[in-house]
Amino acid sequence: DAGVIQSPRHEVTEMGQEVTLRCKPISGHDYLFWYRQTMMRGLELLIYFNNNVPIDDSGMPEDRFSAKMPNASFSTLKIQPSEPRDSAVYFCASSQPGRHGYTFGSGTRLTVV
Amino acid sequence: AQSVAQPEDQVNVAEGNPLTVKCTYSVSGNPYLFWYVQYPNRGLQFLLKYITGDNLVKGSYGFEAEFNKSQTSFHLKKPSALVSDSALYFCAVRALTSGTYKYIFGTGTRLKVLA
Repeated sequence: DAGVIQSPRHEVTEMGQEVTLRCKPISGHDYLFWYRQTMMRGLELLIYFNNNVPIDDSGMPEDRFSAKMPNASFSTLKIQPSEPRDSAVYFCASSQPGRHGYTFGSGTRLTVV
Repeated sequence: AQSVAQPEDQVNVAEGNPLTVKCTYSVSGNPYLFWYVQYPNRGLQFLLKYITGDNLVKGSYGFEAEFNKSQTSFHLKKPSALVSDSALYFCAVRALTSGTYKYIFGTGTRLKVLA
C-alpha cells in the first residue's frame, strides 16, 4: 500500500491566485481529514469526510476555503483567492471504519507570496 | 471544554537515558488517547493508542505510554532514548463535540536526544 498520497509536495503561489491541493486516501479507508499545521496554531482540523460526505467543516477558516470528495479515492482542498496567511503545511489523513488512529500523508507545503 | 495539553515545548535527553513526554487531557466520557510522531518534512505517524484495558500501552519503536485516569494523563515513555528518536511528538484525544467525534491534537513536544 502506498499510503496516503498528497500532491503537490510544495506549492509557491502569488497572493490572489487559486490553489488546489490533492489527496488520495488509502483504499478502504472511509474517513478522510484535512489538517493545517503552522508554528503559531499547531495542527488544526479543517474538514473531514465520511464515505465522501462532508461531516464537519467547522474548522474551515473562511469562505475562501472549500473541499470536495467526488469519490472514495480522491479529495481536493481549494483556496481561492489565496493570501499570505494561508502559508502552512496542509495534511490529508485517512482512517479505516471502526479503527482508531489515522494514516497521514506527507503534506503539501504551501507558500503564498 | 475538551482539550489535550502538552506542557513542554521541548524535551532534551541524553542518548541511553529514559525519556518522558507529557500529555494531559480533558474529555467527557471514556477517553481514546493517541501518540503520533512527526519527522522533518513528513506527515504524522501513529505510535500507539489507548482505548481500553491495560493502562500501560506498548507501541512502535520501543515506545510505551501509561494511562492514568486519576491524573488525566497519558505520558509517552521510552526506557532508553536513541538519537533517531529526535522528532516532534503529538498527543491526541478523541472527543465528542456537537454530536460528532473529533480528534483533538496537542501543540506538540519537540524531543531532542543528544549523543
